[in-house]
Amino acid sequence: EPEVTQTPSHQVTQMGQEVILRCVPISNHLYFYWYRQILGQKVEFLVSFYNNEISEKSEIFDDQFSVERPDGSNFTLKIRSTKLEDSAMYFCASSEVREQYFGPGTRLTVT
Amino acid sequence: DQQVKQNSPSLSVQEGRISILNCDYTNSMFDYFLWYKKYPAEGPTFLISISSIKDKNEDGRFTVFLNKSAKHLSLHIVPSQPGDSAVYFCAASASYGGSQGNLIFGKGTKLSVKP
Repeated sequence: EPEVTQTPSHQVTQMGQEVILRCVPISNHLYFYWYRQILGQKVEFLVSFYNNEISEKSEIFDDQFSVERPDGSNFTLKIRSTKLEDSAMYFCASSEVREQYFGPGTRLTVT
Repeated sequence: DQQVKQNSPSLSVQEGRISILNCDYTNSMFDYFLWYKKYPAEGPTFLISISSIKDKNEDGRFTVFLNKSAKHLSLHIVPSQPGDSAVYFCAASASYGGSQGNLIFGKGTKLSVKP
């Protein structure tokens, strides 16, 4: 069964460093998303992407964040200068229609 | 701003019995609702969904009921199995202008099914 994959599973970085989280969405899906879950809190929407552009973004998704689809299979989330409060699980999701399928997540730890 | 609320943080059920998980929402623009199951250190797994034009959707042991007037939905699992033990998230979305709609999640309900 097709699934969303994410790499790395765990990323540790120092405050102020740039990180890139990678995702491979399900191949026939056209809509891509990033969500995050801070420990003990809700899963929160960050950004959605369709037709090579951002279709929607939340207040969390400020100028420090960017997304890219560098080729036909990968979808990346870049955090330009990480802060302690960026520590969270980051989930990539993709959809063909309304049902979104999630990857296993990347645990980002900012020290 | 809790647009999607799951008021029960936990639920314990005996194996073979029915599990009922509840969810309330406040935004009348939501037109699609989903339930996800999540294990620790894994991503949410899609279970079942329902459009706002329906009031019931069934898939095997899982049934979702939607009461639009009450802005309430519920997930029924019958019969419950120990493998169903996980955190269940309710999520809602509103589509507009060609967007599929981002998901707004509840806080989750931890279901424990005891043998």
